[in-house]
Amino acid sequence: NAGVTQTPKFQVLKTGQSMTLQCAQDMNHNSMYWYRQDPGMGLRLIYYSASEGTTDKGEVPNGYNVSRLNKREFSLRLESAAPSQTSVYFCASRRQTGDTYEQYFGPGTRLTVT
Amino acid sequence: AQSVSQHNHHVILSEAASLELGCNYSYGGTVNLFWYVQYPGQHLQLLLKYFSGDPLVKGIKGFEAEFIKSKFSFNLRKPSVQWSDTAEYFCAVTPAGTGNQFYFGTGTSLTVIP
Repeated sequence: NAGVTQTPKFQVLKTGQSMTLQCAQDMNHNSMYWYRQDPGMGLRLIYYSASEGTTDKGEVPNGYNVSRLNKREFSLRLESAAPSQTSVYFCASRRQTGDTYEQYFGPGTRLTVT
Repeated sequence: AQSVSQHNHHVILSEAASLELGCNYSYGGTVNLFWYVQYPGQHLQLLLKYFSGDPLVKGIKGFEAEFIKSKFSFNLRKPSVQWSDTAEYFCAVTPAGTGNQFYFGTGTSLTVIP
């Protein structure tokens, strides 16, 4: 049981380049999330997917697109990277247990845009 | 937008000292509350959560938190910290019924000196 996995772990892009961050979970969770973590800002929700085939914007969606490929995989795409997108990106999935829930996080992708 | 405040940005304690980290949120309705911990080089892990019932919640590794509705607070406590508690601590809130809009605080960095 690998939990939530993310690839790549590190990436350096030039301004204007595109890339896709991959996320997969093997816990059969319905909901998945993408966050960015910036110094002094905490984690901010970019997009989430409540179930396979649905996606919704979070707090900071501009400059990003997402795809919920299937129940396991949720990818984040930067079409034209900007220095402001330099950040650590975390993927998470949500486990529902009765009336409560909690998130499980991946190890993160550290992205630098020059 | 909702906000979550963690006023202690960086806390330094000696081993065996007591810990209290503050968390306040701005949402006026019913909320679900979480504390996550991020050890150096690792992903975020759930320490504890509150959905309903006893406002004093016990989590893993000897941590507990108290929900005080009148103060919009969910402070994290531990009676005696260890060097291994050195980590970043994040408070998070979801308005009840949303389930997917998680709002995180900016985090508190805890350093425990042996």
